[in-house]
Amino acid sequence: EDKVVQSPLSLVVHEGDTVTLNCSYEVTNFRSLLWYKQEKKAPTFLFMLTSSGIEKKSGRLSSILDKKELFSILNITATQTGDSAIYLCAVGVSGAQKLVFGQGTRLTINP
Amino acid sequence: TAGITQAPTSQILAAGRSMTLRCTQDMRHNAMYWYRQDLGLGLRLIHYSNTAGTTGKGEVPDGYSVSRANTDDFPLTLASAVPSQTSVYFCASSDRSAGSEAFFGQGTRLTVV
Repeated sequence: EDKVVQSPLSLVVHEGDTVTLNCSYEVTNFRSLLWYKQEKKAPTFLFMLTSSGIEKKSGRLSSILDKKELFSILNITATQTGDSAIYLCAVGVSGAQKLVFGQGTRLTINP
Repeated sequence: TAGITQAPTSQILAAGRSMTLRCTQDMRHNAMYWYRQDLGLGLRLIHYSNTAGTTGKGEVPDGYSVSRANTDDFPLTLASAVPSQTSVYFCASSDRSAGSEAFFGQGTRLTVV
């Protein structure tokens, strides 16, 4: 069974801290790994990773994939209150033609 | 650009009644998906469609049906709603099959009483 597991499930930090969110996966035919941010309603796309060891970066957010150890991390530096959200990890599975999501990490940034 | 439009935004439904959740996209994406989101369980795939005229079952398809008569529309029908179908439902689309970036609608909050 295809599975994506995120940790921690919940995290509370102070503004300015750096956080690392984890995503591990076990899928039959890996195609890509995607990170989404969900604030109030629809998840919005952050990154798509397909190759190991290549960091994707957007402002204070960065992510990297390890296809050997089957995990990815999402780093957020100098956190701001606007970073408070649920962060979702999803893995694209070829053949079955689907995105499998993890449970999400609820991140809260306190001023 | 509208992107993906879902309707209704929210609904309270009596158990045993039927309902269709509507989803329309204007991006000409081939693939469309329906997910439900429940606290602590993340997003779970109900049904998907890789192209107009074809559909497939996701991980939680029971109690739901879909159709894909054209590229733009992907309605989700609950034939006889039960309280366990209380959830937030998201429709999504992507321009290729699984593994590419999916765009999400704003969700439909359904409460079955």
